[in-house]
Amino acid sequence: AQSVSQHNHHVILSEAASLELGCNYSYGGTVNLFWYVQYPGQHLQLLLKYFSGDPLVKGIKGFEAEFIKSKFSFNLRKPSVQWSDTAEYFCAVTTGNTPLVFGKGTRLSVIA
Amino acid sequence: SAVISQKPSRDICQRGTSLTIQCQVDSQVTMMFWYRQQPGQSLTLIATANQGSEATYESGFVIDKFPISRPNLTFSTLTVSNMSPEDSSIYLCSSRTGTDTEAFFGQGTRLTVV
Repeated sequence: AQSVSQHNHHVILSEAASLELGCNYSYGGTVNLFWYVQYPGQHLQLLLKYFSGDPLVKGIKGFEAEFIKSKFSFNLRKPSVQWSDTAEYFCAVTTGNTPLVFGKGTRLSVIA
Repeated sequence: SAVISQKPSRDICQRGTSLTIQCQVDSQVTMMFWYRQQPGQSLTLIATANQGSEATYESGFVIDKFPISRPNLTFSTLTVSNMSPEDSSIYLCSSRTGTDTEAFFGQGTRLTVV
């Protein structure tokens, strides 16, 4: 069964700082990878997804992620965070028809 | 994309009682799932709701505690039975239309058991 590891439990950044959140998965076959965001009091929203093709994926709100197959990683990045990016970020993986399996999440706090 | 509506959005229940959560998708979907998100935690898959047959439960979840129905391709229910305070959580319905698609989520049902 696949699993997802998110290395950072809580990240605190100042506005305009760069962001990178780590995500590693364990599965040797073809995977679909996702980053979801959950703003305080709101439901999960899809930030970006990777199915195939260009391993550098661009999502909404200036986020991007890079799939590195050799490292089983799918790290999320943003060059300059804003206060409004304060949220919980979840990495998830699936293999075709299987349900998404989520990492434990990373809480991002952006301070002025 | 799919829009998922869950009812109720929140409830406070007495221990020992049961609550049924409804999930309605605005289009026919291949796959429907139920997750639990405990306070400050990630999403844990409870089961896959199979249309016209018994749900497929993950390790640690059983049908007697979390009976699930899925009578058609757009609707599912999850019942939390004989509740205890440990069942206090957010319960989320999710759907996918097939492979190579993302999962969509309802807004969740926030359950508090007292």
